[in-house]
Amino acid sequence: SAVISQKPSRDICQRGTSLTIQCQVDSQVTMMFWYRQQPGQSLTLIATANQGSEATYESGFVIDKFPISRPNLTFSTLTVSNMSPEDSSIYLCTTTGDRGYNEQFFGPGTRLTVL
Amino acid sequence: RKEVEQDPGPFNVPEGATVAFNCTYSNSASQSFFWYRQDCRKEPKLLMSVYSSGNEDGRFTAQLNRASQYISLLIRDSKLSDSATYLCVVNLINAGGTSYGKLTFGQGTILTVHP
Repeated sequence: SAVISQKPSRDICQRGTSLTIQCQVDSQVTMMFWYRQQPGQSLTLIATANQGSEATYESGFVIDKFPISRPNLTFSTLTVSNMSPEDSSIYLCTTTGDRGYNEQFFGPGTRLTVL
Repeated sequence: RKEVEQDPGPFNVPEGATVAFNCTYSNSASQSFFWYRQDCRKEPKLLMSVYSSGNEDGRFTAQLNRASQYISLLIRDSKLSDSATYLCVVNLINAGGTSYGKLTFGQGTILTVHP
């Protein structure tokens, strides 16, 4: 499986500010995804990061709030814009494996707290 | 109805016990099925994929019943290190046989194995 790293691992931010989270994969991958896990909840897909085109967002998530970049096949960023305390979550980057079974492997996550 | 529903738990079992988790999914188009394990304050890690014929990996056995849209995970001879949250996950496959990428997670079942 690909090795995924994320930066920052955690941050505490003031409301109204924005934070950009970076995801780096150690090999070229076709598909990258961003998930959110709110406190005490399970994971929810935010969007699919498409290389060379706009991200595909899930219902309830919009580009203005969560702009995503995917400049190449190994890197993606997610920005959480104009943050409020409700954005306090763990944000996780994932990619699919190479065995063709559509398994996904997660980065270590970014733990965000908004005051 | 939630797309993926799991036994809420928590399950508290002694070492050596056998424990079973159940999961149902609502979308009959779901094609890939997984069990992930999430330790406290960590990212989910793939435990095993679930194949139509059922599959076993050491002490872990996964079963799939497509007719009933039901997935199970059996853990035999529980170890203290099995204590974690177990996530039932389903994935849709498009007509081309590739993944839509959207993993849908159950709420998770908490397992605590005690001495």
